Amino acid sequence: QSVLTQPPSASGTPGQRVTISCSGSRFNIGSGIVNWYQQFPGTAPKLLINNDHQRPSGVPDRFSGSKSGTSASLSISGLQSEDEADYYCEAWDDRVNGPVFGGGTTLTVL
Amino acid sequence: QVQLIQSGAEVKKPGASVKVSCKASAFTFTDYYIHWVRQAPGQGLEWLGWITPNSGVTHYAQKFQGRVTLTRDTSISTAYMQLSGLRYDDTAVYFCARRWNKSFYYFDYWGQGTLVSVSS
Repeated sequence: QSVLTQPPSASGTPGQRVTISCSGSRFNIGSGIVNWYQQFPGTAPKLLINNDHQRPSGVPDRFSGSKSGTSASLSISGLQSEDEADYYCEAWDDRVNGPVFGGGTTLTVL
Repeated sequence: QVQLIQSGAEVKKPGASVKVSCKASAFTFTDYYIHWVRQAPGQGLEWLGWITPNSGVTHYAQKFQGRVTLTRDTSISTAYMQLSGLRYDDTAVYFCARRWNKSFYYFDYWGQGTLVSVSS
């Protein structure tokens, strides 16, 4: 059971907008920032969004993040087939003095 | 460019120990926290602990207390993760990742992962 809650799956057709949610508590999302990672099979996670909504260099602006209270979301607009991957949210948890992750969301482009 | 290069795959028997290395390059090793995260087959990401290479201070997830040991050798910019008392459910890919600090930061670089298989 992951500390942060994400839907296990999401899907959309090319060109659509998809949003993935991430729910936490005052001990993690509510007291800090949220980061999002993208992971393709057999590879390491890659930083996609940091500090709630910032995109690292090289990440397309189709990807955006937001946070409100103890929840966050990742949105992908203009969905493309190469966006098929697993997406994880992450936040620091003061109770464990370490990061906690969502269970991951598998995105399928139909 | 910044890299974290991990050691190769391991196959271990139940009850044994495994030690995985993570060599840093192109950045000042002692400026960052090094964390270890694992991923069981078909599962999500699970945090094991962190070490501050500068001082060697460590902190472990409660689940792994007593079984995991994080160390580092600053002379070769390498961090190590040792997991003892291996069980079948420790079979996973183990990643190292760097983080500048704690709560208001993120994992910007990850190692390629090391598969640890526990099998009799």
